[in-house]
Amino acid sequence: QKEVEQNSGPLSVPEGAIASLNCTYSDRGSQSFFWYRQYSGKSPELIMFIYSNGDKEDGRFTAQLNKASQYVSLLIRDSQPSDSATYLCAVNPPTGGFKTIFGAGTRLFVKA
Amino acid sequence: DTGVSQNPRHKITKRGQNVTFRCDPISEHNRLYWYRQTLGQGPEFLTYFQNEAQLEKSRLLSDRFSAERPKGSFSTLEIQRTEQGDSAMYLCASSLYPGSAETQYFGPGTRLLVL
Repeated sequence: QKEVEQNSGPLSVPEGAIASLNCTYSDRGSQSFFWYRQYSGKSPELIMFIYSNGDKEDGRFTAQLNKASQYVSLLIRDSQPSDSATYLCAVNPPTGGFKTIFGAGTRLFVKA
Repeated sequence: DTGVSQNPRHKITKRGQNVTFRCDPISEHNRLYWYRQTLGQGPEFLTYFQNEAQLEKSRLLSDRFSAERPKGSFSTLEIQRTEQGDSAMYLCASSLYPGSAETQYFGPGTRLLVL
């Protein structure tokens, strides 16, 4: 089992719709969770981080964390074509140090 | 520009040659990370430094790879006797510890092609 799993996609949504991206992780004691966006040929850029169970909202983005289910999600409201990118889920496991583990990413296409 | 910078941006080399990459982190950041990313995969952790100390190194990192951060500022990643499987994007990131949510800021990467 991979430490951080994501559906590779592609996920295709129409402009203005809600895009839902999901991630599961294997280390139950993991403490911090991140979503990065990566455009083709570019480096990852942080969108959001979340530590506590529940929802965290930032503009059009909402991160959701359920530690009991070992599940993290990212919702993008009012999706725009400029949101088309690969979204990477990242987890810091509680093994000491800060060895961030990334998922393989989900490709999102927002159709105009 | 106060972001993370990496040089060179692209490197083409022949199998068996040595290559060295440089990363300059955000100036006040004390943690520096190296990752490797291949097509269709997420970044894979290689190693990280806090100031000049190398605190963790992936067991996947062979002896051909070495990284330094001699003065706690810039870092270099060297690959000796390159192999075709080393072809990838090498990403550097930095963060401030303790600081805001362990946020790592990535540089633009160095794309390596081994022929």
